[in-house]
Amino acid sequence: GAVVSQHPSWVICKSGTSVKIECRSLDFQATTMFWYRQFPKQSLMLMATSNEGSKATYEQGVEKDKFLINHASLTLSTLTVTSAHPEDSSFYICSAPGWAGGHYGYTFGSGTRLTVV
Amino acid sequence: RKEVEQDPGPFNVPEGATVAFNCTYSNSASQSFFWYRQDCRKEPKLLMSVYSSGNEDGRFTAQLNRASQYISLLIRDSKLSDSATYLCVVEGSGAGSYQLTFGKGTKLSVIP
Repeated sequence: GAVVSQHPSWVICKSGTSVKIECRSLDFQATTMFWYRQFPKQSLMLMATSNEGSKATYEQGVEKDKFLINHASLTLSTLTVTSAHPEDSSFYICSAPGWAGGHYGYTFGSGTRLTVV
Repeated sequence: RKEVEQDPGPFNVPEGATVAFNCTYSNSASQSFFWYRQDCRKEPKLLMSVYSSGNEDGRFTAQLNRASQYISLLIRDSKLSDSATYLCVVEGSGAGSYQLTFGKGTKLSVIP
């Protein structure tokens, strides 16, 4: 089935630095990748949709200059949190549509837990 | 009204029990529906898609009622390993086609 590999699993960074998160689709081509953020005890909230070879589409309230998304190939999408601040600490997760376990749905990466200190 | 609404629980049930989760959604033009399970501090994993005709996968049965904009998940013969948060997920339509909207999840604890 479809697998999305996400790295790193967790990262701690200093305020003001940038962090890059990678999501790779294994054994399938992800023309679209969704990026979500989840705060504790909250639901996943869509941040942006990346499409291979074109600019990402950001949801209302998400700063595109702060959360840089690149989808340069059919198997790799990256999210860079620039000038991170403590309020950016969250669980970031990517997802791509595909088949898994005989069902069509959305396959998620394993998530990146970002802590900004 | 929230876009996707679920009872947050927690549902604490003994092993072997049958438990049902409900979910309502507000966008009548929604296209596809899913149940995911999410373990603590982990990514969501697809449990099953939900169809109008209803579908069953082992101990799990999902139902969709488009007229009532209502989705359900039934778990029979609960196992300890079923303990998780169950997310109701709706795939939208219109400008946000393919956009997934997540409920906050219903927490299930199966106790021995």
